Amino acid sequence: GQNIDQPTEMTATEGAIVQINCTYQTSGFNGLFWYQQHAGEAPTFLSYNVLDGLEEKGRFSSFLSRSKGYSYLLLKELQMKDSASYLCAVRAKGSRGSTLGRLYFGRGTQLTVWP
Amino acid sequence: GAVVSQHPSRVICKSGTSVKIECRSLDFQATTMFWYRQFPKKSLMLMATSNEGSKATYEQGVEKDKFLINHASLTLSTLTVTSAHPEDSSFYICSARLADSSYEQYFGPGTRLTVT
Repeated sequence: GQNIDQPTEMTATEGAIVQINCTYQTSGFNGLFWYQQHAGEAPTFLSYNVLDGLEEKGRFSSFLSRSKGYSYLLLKELQMKDSASYLCAVRAKGSRGSTLGRLYFGRGTQLTVWP
Repeated sequence: GAVVSQHPSRVICKSGTSVKIECRSLDFQATTMFWYRQFPKKSLMLMATSNEGSKATYEQGVEKDKFLINHASLTLSTLTVTSAHPEDSSFYICSARLADSSYEQYFGPGTRLTVT
């Protein structure tokens, strides 16, 4: 089975840096995703990690350690519009030899950015 | 980028009626589409995986006779909630995977279903 854990809520101020952690236990790992979701909207893709290390994309960076079952999303120069839920999702290995398995989502971390 | 649409965006129906939700990939072909539901402040729960031209694969605990999924073409999948009840009220989101993509899913904007 899959178990994905991330904090329920976080707060930060504009211009600051925030790190959202995600730990996972999986029976077959095939990549980790971070999504941003504003209330009442669909998730939007932020990042994808399949190898250990840091992936940087503008103000957002994502880190993965497969041996530790750990990832984090780093948001720099926070803006008010970054207030949203951030979802960590792990992709399992597919069945019947396929590598395109389903996604398992964490509960999401609700980030509130204060002025 | 890849665009996925859902229709309707919001629907209110009475108990006992059926509701159909459409999910379309607008500028790409999707051999696989996924249907999720999300309760307030909860994460996305996968309901079923829909493959074009074949029967959907339902997750444990999801009633296939209640949530009918049809994936008749590479750009359209439909979810029909049959004999809806108030507990079916939820946010339903579909996603589509590019036919030759290695990893990414593109999400639709979601459908808010309210059953009265």
